[in-house]
Amino acid sequence: EVQLVQSGAEVKKPGESLTISCKTSGYSFIDYWINWVRQMPGKGLEWMGKIDPSDSNTHYSPSFQGHVTISADRSISTAYLQWSSLEASDTAVYYCEVGSYFWGQGTLVTVSP
Amino acid sequence: NFLLTQPHSVSESPGKTVTISCTRNSGSIASNFVQWYQQRPGSAPTTVMYEDNQRPSGVPDRFSGSIDSSSNSASLTISGLRTEDEADYYCQSYTINKNVFGGGTKLTVL
Repeated sequence: EVQLVQSGAEVKKPGESLTISCKTSGYSFIDYWINWVRQMPGKGLEWMGKIDPSDSNTHYSPSFQGHVTISADRSISTAYLQWSSLEASDTAVYYCEVGSYFWGQGTLVTVSP
Repeated sequence: NFLLTQPHSVSESPGKTVTISCTRNSGSIASNFVQWYQQRPGSAPTTVMYEDNQRPSGVPDRFSGSIDSSSNSASLTISGLRTEDEADYYCQSYTINKNVFGGGTKLTVL
């Protein structure tokens, strides 16, 4: 059974750094790109970027390029989404998704002074 | 780059059939597979259709997907509507270097 288990909710202040994770199981980690998707409160789904775990090649949406970093650790079948300096507008639920098919449960990130 | 446009909302009565459209503004709808996701309030999205018209196991056959090259659009059709089908539905497609979501359609079953 394929499972994507994301890290828990986070509350941060503007300017702080943050890394959230997506631990996968039940399939070959290197065989499928992993996507990160943002959903701001009351809004739709936005594609942020994706990573090929086999070689860590990444593609980013222009809207998120330079503001987040996507990475993966093949040894533990886990993907990451990282911010070096959070903004209040980063408050959202973040989902990882694999193969345009399997979804994580989401991680709520709240950024507030 | 392309955009996917969905109606903001649709409504229909229980037992009826509803179709949600997803129109691609540039490039052929047939160039890349289209997926459909259902999202109930407070929950993560789940896949109800992949590769244009493939239904995941566990999704009832009341759900069907299609593409229409003449209108350059994809469609998700739900027949025999149930109150549990009330949710937001998103179409999605992808190229080698990006994924694109439609804006989402709120389905009300009333």
